[in-house]
Amino acid sequence: AQSVAQPEDQVNVAEGNPLTVKCTYSVSGNPYLFWYVQYPNRGLQFLLKYITGDNLVKGSYGFEAEFNKSQTSFHLKKPSALVSDSALYFCAVRDTGRRALTFGSGTRLQVQP
Amino acid sequence: GAVVSQHPSRVICKSGTSVKIECRSLDFQATTMFWYRQFPKQSLMLMATSNEGSKATYEQGVEKDKFLINHASLTLSTLTVTSAHPEDSSFYICSARNKGYNEQFFGPGTRLTVL
Repeated sequence: AQSVAQPEDQVNVAEGNPLTVKCTYSVSGNPYLFWYVQYPNRGLQFLLKYITGDNLVKGSYGFEAEFNKSQTSFHLKKPSALVSDSALYFCAVRDTGRRALTFGSGTRLQVQP
Repeated sequence: GAVVSQHPSRVICKSGTSVKIECRSLDFQATTMFWYRQFPKQSLMLMATSNEGSKATYEQGVEKDKFLINHASLTLSTLTVTSAHPEDSSFYICSARNKGYNEQFFGPGTRLTVL
């Protein structure tokens, strides 16, 4: 069975500093990986995905993620954090059979001004 | 493009009543829709997968007679929580996927509170 781990419940960074939100995965076969962001009482907004190709994936709002097959990781990054980036971030892997997503536990990002 | 709506956004009901939540894909045909449930400060858990015109596939531990799912058209899926109880209070989120696309598009969610 596939799984996703987000080891940090919360990440705190100062505005303007780089941020990293960690994600590791376990799947059989090729992974389809996603990052979503959720604001309070809202649904999920798609940030980026890795299906195949370049290991560095660029997404919305200046976010990017690096796929590392040897470390089975897909960490989310941004060079310069904004206060408005403060939200809940979910990493997910897609089940190749059912097409449903398995989500990590989420990481709350807090960017301090 | 790729907008998914949910209605209602919030609903409060008495214990024992049934509540219907609608999920619509506004600008594409959703061959598959997914229903997720999110408890406070927790991740999303898949409840069921519905394909247009066929019965939904429920995840282990999800009661199909309690959470009725109907995917009657390519743009609409409904989730009915029957005989709701306080423990059913949660944030319900749907997502929709068009055939051939790797992405799912999520609705804004419905906050259900059962008194």
